[in-house]
Amino acid sequence: NAGVTQTPKFRVLKTGQSMTLLCAQDMNHEYMYWYRQDPGMGLRLIHYSVGEGTTAKGEVPDGYNVSRLKKQNFLLGLESAAPSQTSVYFCASSYSNGLYGYTFGSGTRLTVV
Amino acid sequence: EDQVTQSPEALRLQEGESSSLNCSYTVSGLRGLFWYRQDPGKGPEFLFTLYSAGEEKEKERLKATLTKKESFLHITAPKPEDSATYLCAVLTTDSWGKLQFGAGTQVVVTP
Repeated sequence: NAGVTQTPKFRVLKTGQSMTLLCAQDMNHEYMYWYRQDPGMGLRLIHYSVGEGTTAKGEVPDGYNVSRLKKQNFLLGLESAAPSQTSVYFCASSYSNGLYGYTFGSGTRLTVV
Repeated sequence: EDQVTQSPEALRLQEGESSSLNCSYTVSGLRGLFWYRQDPGKGPEFLFTLYSAGEEKEKERLKATLTKKESFLHITAPKPEDSATYLCAVLTTDSWGKLQFGAGTQVVVTP
């Protein structure tokens, strides 16, 4: 099993450009999450989804949008990238509202110049 | 407001020198406390879940314990391959499946 797969692994954007990060899981998990990780700040939740067709805001949602059209996929979009969005982005999924922990992807390192 | 604080921020150990990492938390209602290991350039990898005060779990040289206010991750006789960042996270009764993470403790074990 692949678990949680994130694409791309690295990306450099210019300020104002847009992009979509893709997260795919093959574990039939209902819950999916997008976090960003910055030095000294730990993992912060951007958006999450409790099932196909649902999304909700996390701790730091501004500047991001998400979609969950299929159960196995969770997309994170940046409409107009800013240097403050330079970060490492992690997708995760869980079986039962987090009670048994998350499975994480390997991350996307995004640099906005 | 729920808070998760890890200490120390960084820890440098000699091989074989046992130590403990601390995760203190202030939450409205705890459903579970999680420990993850993260290697450079990779995603966090699940280690343990603790659900109630007094619970302990072990895996190789790692042992996690939980009280009503904090959790400890004890590393016994560490080896260089135990070098990583260790993250703790809490799941609360009103969090709808969202984990709240601490900032992590970076552990370096030298031969």
